Amino acid sequence: AQSVAQPEDQVNVAEGNPLTVKCTYSVSGNPYLFWYVQYPNRGLQFLLKYITGDNLVKGSYGFEAEFNKSQTSFHLKKPSALVSDSALYFCAVRDRGSGTYKYIFGTGTRLKVLA
Amino acid sequence: DTAVSQTPKYLVTQMGNDKSIKCEQNLGHDTMYWYKQDSKKFLKIMFSYNNKELIINETVPNRFSPKSPDKAHLNLHINSLELGDSAVYFCASSFLPGRRNNEQFFGPGTRLTVL
Repeated sequence: AQSVAQPEDQVNVAEGNPLTVKCTYSVSGNPYLFWYVQYPNRGLQFLLKYITGDNLVKGSYGFEAEFNKSQTSFHLKKPSALVSDSALYFCAVRDRGSGTYKYIFGTGTRLKVLA
Repeated sequence: DTAVSQTPKYLVTQMGNDKSIKCEQNLGHDTMYWYKQDSKKFLKIMFSYNNKELIINETVPNRFSPKSPDKAHLNLHINSLELGDSAVYFCASSFLPGRRNNEQFFGPGTRLTVL
């Protein structure tokens, strides 16, 4: 069975500081991994994904994520946070080897960037 | 040029009523999804269709019935609405999850309130 965990309900960071939003996953095969962002009263927007290849993936708005197979993690990072980055962030996984088309989403982490 | 659109955006109704939510995508995707987001922002897959065929059918009450007239549309009909159905319902689309460019694009959501 596939699962994904976002251990932090909320992350607070000062504007200009680096930010990290954590995600760990569990799959039986190789994973597709995704990060999405949700602004208030909006749908989720795709940020970036890992399929294969380079462990460091770059995405929209200056975000990046590092795939770590040994730690089964896919943490979202940004070198310098902006107040406008404040939103709800979701990690998602799909197990390529499972035969399922289902994406599993984490419970979300609320990022608050303080001016 | 809206990518994934949903109507209505807000739906307020009485218990026991029947209602429908419509979804359309103009991205040329072949797979569409319905998700339910509860008050704690937890996102759960309900259904998915690929080229009008049901490929994901989670354990939701059979009061919920999806219908896909073509691959650009996926509607959700809900019979005998209950208080617990109150949530935000998101439609999403993607290419078939087995493909590399399989990130999902989400609609703006429909906020359903059952009184």
